[in-house]
Order: sequence, then structure tokens, then C-alpha cells
Amino acid sequence: QKEVEQNSGPLSVPEGAIASLNCTYSDRGSQSFFWYRQYSGKSPELIMFIYSNGDKEDGRFTAQLNKASQYVSLLIRDSQPSDSATYLCAVKGGSYIPTFGRGTSLIVHP
Amino acid sequence: DVKVTQSSRYLVKRTGEKVFLECVQDMDHENMFWYRQDPGLGLRLIYFSYDVKMKEKGDIPEGYSVSREKKERFSLILESASTNQTSMYLCASSLSLSGYTFGSGTRLTVV
Repeated sequence: QKEVEQNSGPLSVPEGAIASLNCTYSDRGSQSFFWYRQYSGKSPELIMFIYSNGDKEDGRFTAQLNKASQYVSLLIRDSQPSDSATYLCAVKGGSYIPTFGRGTSLIVHP
Repeated sequence: DVKVTQSSRYLVKRTGEKVFLECVQDMDHENMFWYRQDPGLGLRLIYFSYDVKMKEKGDIPEGYSVSREKKERFSLILESASTNQTSMYLCASSLSLSGYTFGSGTRLTVV
């Protein structure tokens, strides 16, 4: 059984701080990793993907992947209240069916 | 802008009715998916399709069926709606190695 684990939160950070969201996975054969943002009552939206070990930066977002330790992280710099949402981690192995975590709720307070 | 369009945003149906949820994508994606999302349970895969007229069961296919007659359209059918099928239904599409593009979702209530 492939598993993707996320702390459900909520993770509460002040505006302007760095929010760090973590995800661990069980399948060592996993090849691609995705972060989705889901606002309350809305559908998930893909915000980052990473395939290789290391960091990938896109604006205020950085995805970090460590395959040896089987974790992937999402850092949000200069957090804004508009970043308040649930963040879903998804992991794909050899197939095109990802395994989703249950998400971490992030609250950015002014 | 690429899109996945779900036909209804909110739907209320009676127990025992046959319900059709439609999903259309304009990205020429091979793969299409139907999920339901419930509080505390996360996203659960109902069915998926990797080609026209092909379909595969996901984790919770019981009580559902699907149809994919054209590449851009993937329909979810609730054969006889029950109250435990009240949920948010999400359609998604993707290329084989890429992430998903989700539709806006259909919140179905079965009374």
C-alpha cells in the first residue's frame, strides 16, 4: 500500500514568515512529486512539481525533494493571508495515478 | 487558458435516481479521472481512463460507472443514487507524466 503522509495542521504562521509544509511517502520507486493548493470550497490547483533531488524555486514557493529520506517539502516565503488554504502533496510512481496525502491546512494571520 | 469543465456546480438528486456528471477537457489529455472528496477522507479515486473507450476501476468504484466515448469527455454515472454518495465530485485530466488539472467540482447532495 503506497502511503503519503502529511500533518493535517492547522499550521499557523504570521504574515511575512516562511511556512514549511512537509510530506513523507512510502514508495521508494516514486518518480514525480506535486503540490496542490486548495482553497475552502474550491478544487485543487497545481502549484509546484519536482522530479529531481534538491530544490526547485518558483516565485515565493520552493519545493525540496530528498529521495533518500523519502520526503518532499514546500516552503512559502513571505507568507500572505491569501496563502491560507489546504496544501495537498501527491506522489507518482511508474503509473500515471498519483497517491495523494490528506493535506495540511495553512493559516496565515495578519 | 486550459480548462476542465464540469457541467454542474451544485446538484440535488433523490435517492434511487440515475445521476450523470459530465466532464470536458480542452487540453487533448489522454488521462481523465473521477474523484470524490469528503472531509477527513481526502481524495478517493473512483474511476479513470487512459484512452477513449478504456476505463479502469479506482479505489471505490462500487455504485458508479463511467463512459468515455470521446477523448475530451468523461462521464460519471451513479446508477442508483444513495445518500452515502453525497459528496464533492472532482474531475481531472493529465498527460502521463504531468500533474492534474482539476475541474471546479460538483457538490452533489442526495436526499
